[in-house]
Amino acid sequence: GEDVEQSLFLSVREGDSSVINCTYTDSSSTYLYWYKQEPGAGLQLLTYIFSNMDMKQDQRLTVLLNKKDKHLSLRIADTQTGDSAIYFCAESISWMDSSYKLIFGSGTRLLVRP
Amino acid sequence: EAQVTQNPRYLITVTGKKLTVTCSQNMNHEYMSWYRQDPGLGLRQIYYSMNVEVTDKGDVPEGYKVSRKEKRNFPLILESPSPNQTSLYFCASSLIGQGNYGYTFGSGTRLTVV
Repeated sequence: GEDVEQSLFLSVREGDSSVINCTYTDSSSTYLYWYKQEPGAGLQLLTYIFSNMDMKQDQRLTVLLNKKDKHLSLRIADTQTGDSAIYFCAESISWMDSSYKLIFGSGTRLLVRP
Repeated sequence: EAQVTQNPRYLITVTGKKLTVTCSQNMNHEYMSWYRQDPGLGLRQIYYSMNVEVTDKGDVPEGYKVSRKEKRNFPLILESPSPNQTSLYFCASSLIGQGNYGYTFGSGTRLTVV
């Protein structure tokens, strides 16, 4: 069945790089997403990657996709205290002929220590 | 500003007292959905709607109802709330069809049932 798995917790020191990992099961996923949830707020789309790409870079964020292993990672360079949040991985899967739906992981809580 | 608006943000109620959480989006999105977020369980879909008057159950629909009489609104109804429905609820919306749209989320409603 459809499943997206993430580790629950990551702690890093300010200025270090953070790497959040995710595995998914549906090999037909067209897009994979990273969402950020700050305390008391909703989920905000951080970045996404199309399934025919291996890597996408956007300022401090680097997304790596290994389709063979169905593994997605989010690297945050020079992690800041403002990056402390829960990060959700999500895959899009084909659904009802002409549409798609998102399957979310359980979220990884990133704690950035000063 | 394009957004999904949920009300109320916080709600404490007693067991059995009917309540409605409202959700409205101003992006002309066809697709709308309700999720609940519980620690360690990530986001679980309650109900979704593909368009006006078209709704269907998600993964955890028991104890909830929805309606979609207008494109912009998708209220979540708890006819007889119970303590196990204490949770953080999110409404999300999206365009229909394949693409990198992802979902736009509301800010969440924290519900406590005593």
